Amino acid sequence: AQSVTQPDIHITVSEGASLELRCNYSYGATPYLFWYVQSPGQGLQLLLKYFSGDTLVQGIKGFEAEFKRSQSSFNLRKPSVHWSDAAEYFCAVGPNNNAGNMLTFGGGTRLMVKP
Amino acid sequence: DVKVTQSSRYLVKRTGEKVFLECVQDMDHENMFWYRQDPGLGLRLIYFSYDVKMKEKGDIPEGYSVSREKKERFSLILESASTNQTSMYLCASSLTGANYGYTFGSGTRLTVV
Repeated sequence: AQSVTQPDIHITVSEGASLELRCNYSYGATPYLFWYVQSPGQGLQLLLKYFSGDTLVQGIKGFEAEFKRSQSSFNLRKPSVHWSDAAEYFCAVGPNNNAGNMLTFGGGTRLMVKP
Repeated sequence: DVKVTQSSRYLVKRTGEKVFLECVQDMDHENMFWYRQDPGLGLRLIYFSYDVKMKEKGDIPEGYSVSREKKERFSLILESASTNQTSMYLCASSLTGANYGYTFGSGTRLTVV
């Protein structure tokens, strides 16, 4: 069965500092990987996704993520955090086939940004 | 712009009431999902549907039922609301095929008193 772990429940960074949110997955093959962001009181918005090819993927709002097969990780990064990035972030994994598309979500990481 | 619309942002219901949460998508997606989100527990899948009139239980279906009479609409029903069903409910939809990901609605925050 697939699973996703986000080890950090809360992270606080200063505005302008760099950010890395960790995501580790368990899956038998190369999965499809996603990062979503949830602003307070809102639904989830897709930031970026990885299917194959270049292991460094670019997303919206200046985010990027790197797939590392050897570490079963898909960490999210941003070089300079803005106050508007304060939100909850979810990593998700899905099967690498077209038979179904059930996503498994991690528990989320809540990001706080200090002025 | 593609959309998943949840009919209510906030709802307050009384214990024992029958509650309907509605979700409509305009993207002709086959799959639709209902999650509940609680602090510290992440997203938990209640039910999903991969076709009209088809439904499958997720991880926490107890106390809930669903209806999908039309492709674009997926309803979550709380047969007899209880205080432990106070939560944020999120609807999502997707095309078949994992590479598409999900599109989420804005959520319904339900309070049962």
